Amino acid sequence: EVRLVESGGGLVKPGGSLRLSCEVSGFTLSRYWMNWVRQAPGKGLEWLSSISSTSSYIYYADSVKGRFTSSRDNAENSLYLHMTRLSAEDTAVYYCASGNTLDFWGQGTLVTVSS
Amino acid sequence: DIVLTQSPGTLSLSPGETATLSCRASQSVSGSSLAWYQQRPGQAPRLIIYGASNRANGIPDRFSGSGSGTDFTLAISRLEPEDFAVYYCRQYGSSPRTFGQGTKVEI
Repeated sequence: EVRLVESGGGLVKPGGSLRLSCEVSGFTLSRYWMNWVRQAPGKGLEWLSSISSTSSYIYYADSVKGRFTSSRDNAENSLYLHMTRLSAEDTAVYYCASGNTLDFWGQGTLVTVSS
Repeated sequence: DIVLTQSPGTLSLSPGETATLSCRASQSVSGSSLAWYQQRPGQAPRLIIYGASNRANGIPDRFSGSGSGTDFTLAISRLEPEDFAVYYCRQYGSSPRTFGQGTKVEI
């Protein structure tokens, strides 16, 4: 069974940092591009970042470029999103999703940016 | 960036009816690289259609996708109670990947 489990969300103050993790099981992580997508409360889906299977290529949405960093550890079956200089506009549920077509999704982790 | 515009914003239907959702792109979507996702309340999105017309694993044949270029359609026939949800289109043929704003299918 394919599973993606995000963790690391929580309450953080404006200007703060947070690192999200996504642990996968049921498939070979090293074969797939992976992605981060977020959803602000009551809003639609926003693609944030995609990282190739060997981390050779990493792409970011303009809204997070320079503040967020994607990485992965295939040996640990894990994907990471390091977020810095957070603002209220970053408050959202953050999802990791697999493959170019976002075949499978985690359940999401909530990040709340508030003082 | 390719902007995807979904219409209508909300579709009010009854079980058993057919839903027709539209996704229009501001530029041609390369290689029909267009997917549809379903999101039920409180749940993560789920892939239902990829490559414009291919059903994902486990998706019933009541769901069908069509289109190419800039105009794409998701049709859901014989609506079941569990089909009432928000549907998003997404293009993955060009960077940055982009989502439409969503269509809510409600009873």
